Formats: sequence, C-alpha cells, structure tokens
Amino acid sequence: GDSVTQMEGPVTLSEEAFLTINCTYTATGYPSLFWYVQYPGEGLQLLLKATKADDKGSNKGFEATYRKETTSFHLEKGSVQVSDSAVYFCAHLPNFGNEKLTFGTGTRLTIIP
Amino acid sequence: DTGVSQNPRHKITKRGQNVTFRCDPISEHNRLYWYRQTLGQGPEFLTYFQNEAQLEKSRLLSDRFSAERPKGSFSTLEIQRTEQGDSAMYLCASSLSTGSGYTFGSGTRLTVV
Repeated sequence: GDSVTQMEGPVTLSEEAFLTINCTYTATGYPSLFWYVQYPGEGLQLLLKATKADDKGSNKGFEATYRKETTSFHLEKGSVQVSDSAVYFCAHLPNFGNEKLTFGTGTRLTIIP
Repeated sequence: DTGVSQNPRHKITKRGQNVTFRCDPISEHNRLYWYRQTLGQGPEFLTYFQNEAQLEKSRLLSDRFSAERPKGSFSTLEIQRTEQGDSAMYLCASSLSTGSGYTFGSGTRLTVV
C-alpha cells in the first residue's frame, strides 16, 4: 500500500547550519507531495507542496523537489534558525480521487543557538 | 476567516465515558477530515466528508466512534465508552479541492484516565 518513510529524528543542529530531512514514498501513480510543520502545542501547518515531477516547492527558506526517479521529496534549508525548531511531516496525496493524506512518522528538529 | 476551529482544546475523561469533539472548517471548504495522532507518530486518517456525505472510514474507526456533518458545515466526532487507548490528539482538517492540501485545526487532545 501507499506509504511515506522519513528520516528518523531527533535532529539537532546549530543555528545557521544546513538542513536536510529525507523523505521517500511509495504510491500508485503520481501523488501530490507535501511537507507539514507542527510547532509545540499546535496543529499541522502546510509548509510547502509539489504536485508533479520536478516541481520544487518552497516557503520560508525551505525547499523540496519532487523526484519521480527516486520517489523522494527531501526537505532542505540552507541556514536554519532557532525558530525552525518543530516536528516536520512528509505526506502524500494520491491523484486518483482518494482523499487520504498519508503521513510519515515525523522528524523532530531542534536548533540550538 | 479564522481557519479551522476545534473544540475543546483539551479533554480529560474517565474510562467508559462518552466524549464529543467539534470541528468548524473554513467556510467555503466542502471537504472535511478527521485524523488521530498519537505521541511520536504521524497523523492517521479516520474519516472524510464531502459536504454532508461521509465517503470513507478507516478501519481505525471502531464501532465506538461516530462522526457526523449534518449540514455540510461543522462536524462532530463522538467516542463512546472511551478506553485508555483512545488517548491521542484528534485533528480536523478541511480542503476545497483535490491536491490542494489540507488546512488543519489545532486539534483536541484527549486523555482517558
């Protein structure tokens, strides 16, 4: 069945470090891909998305490119800030009418000053 | 528009009691979703409505769970005879169209003691 596998955490980085959180998926066809972020005590917020192969989603300095050949959607940021500390979830949504978002288990990111 | 609103934010209940949660989606969104998130895991799909019609239910949604969206606007999720294993964050989300991603509420955290 459809699934999302993402890099296990927790991840701890110093401020201004480069961030990569890996995400791969299995799905039928070509799903839409998403990264959501969850700050402590809050719900999930959409960070970025890509709906077709080679699309790059970007927001707040974060980027992720939809790679069909490797079925991946890795999240990157060139210079992280303390305020980026949160849990990040990769997710996919099939494109054939099934409305079910499938999430990875999440990666907890902590940025230290 | 204040986004997706969920009430209550927190609920502590004794095992065996019934609880009901409410979700008010973004007004123009016709799709509404319920997810459950346990500690350290990604959200898991429970059920989904398009307008007032409940179109899909997960196997996670046992007979003790029921969801309604009577007028195609707000939705309620009821859990009867709660068990300790029901303790989780219950997330509601809404969307306007396929592939656009969801907008999540802040969730209702249920603790069954």
